[in-house]
Amino acid sequence: TQLLEQSPQFLSIQEGENLTVYCNSSSVFSSLQWYRQEPGEGPVLLVTVVTGGEVKKLKRLTFQFGDARKDSSLHITAAQPGDTGLYLCAGETGANNLFFGTGTRLTVIP
Amino acid sequence: DAGVIQSPRHEVTEMGQEVTLRCKPISGHNSLFWYRQTMMRGLELLIYFNNNVPIDDSGMPEDRFSAKMPNASFSTLKIQPSEPRDSAVYFCASSLIDEQYFGPGTRLTVT
Repeated sequence: TQLLEQSPQFLSIQEGENLTVYCNSSSVFSSLQWYRQEPGEGPVLLVTVVTGGEVKKLKRLTFQFGDARKDSSLHITAAQPGDTGLYLCAGETGANNLFFGTGTRLTVIP
Repeated sequence: DAGVIQSPRHEVTEMGQEVTLRCKPISGHNSLFWYRQTMMRGLELLIYFNNNVPIDDSGMPEDRFSAKMPNASFSTLKIQPSEPRDSAVYFCASSLIDEQYFGPGTRLTVT
């Protein structure tokens, strides 16, 4: 069973601060996806990283895939209240085989 | 596009009753997934279909759970008999290539 550990589990910060969320595993993944889930809704895909060492930017969000394709990080610059939500990483081992991480619940306080 | 549609959005039932959750995937998508989300175990894949055929049901907890996809636009997840430990949010997702689009979920409470 592939296990994806995310840290921290909970994070509460002030608007304007920076933060980094980590996703770690002992397994190698063909790709890794990051989702954000808001209360009462399903997860929404933010980004997919495929190549070891790959860095992708989505406005104030920066995603990095580890060189060995076992871990990933999400960095948010100048967090906004709209960034509040549950952030999930998901590793793909094969076609349609996604394993979701334990999640990081982020609260950005205005 | 309406997105993935799930019904009901909320279901409260008594232990031992049969529960049926419904999903309409996005038109044109060829893969459909059922997930369960709880605080303790996070988001878990129960089963997925490709072109209406079940491909991997290794995540289905036990025989009380069954899923069907009679056509490309409809799928059901049935729990019979339901137990309190089945209480969770159940998500359906569909995809065409890589990105999975999730429905809003069904919050199931079994008392």
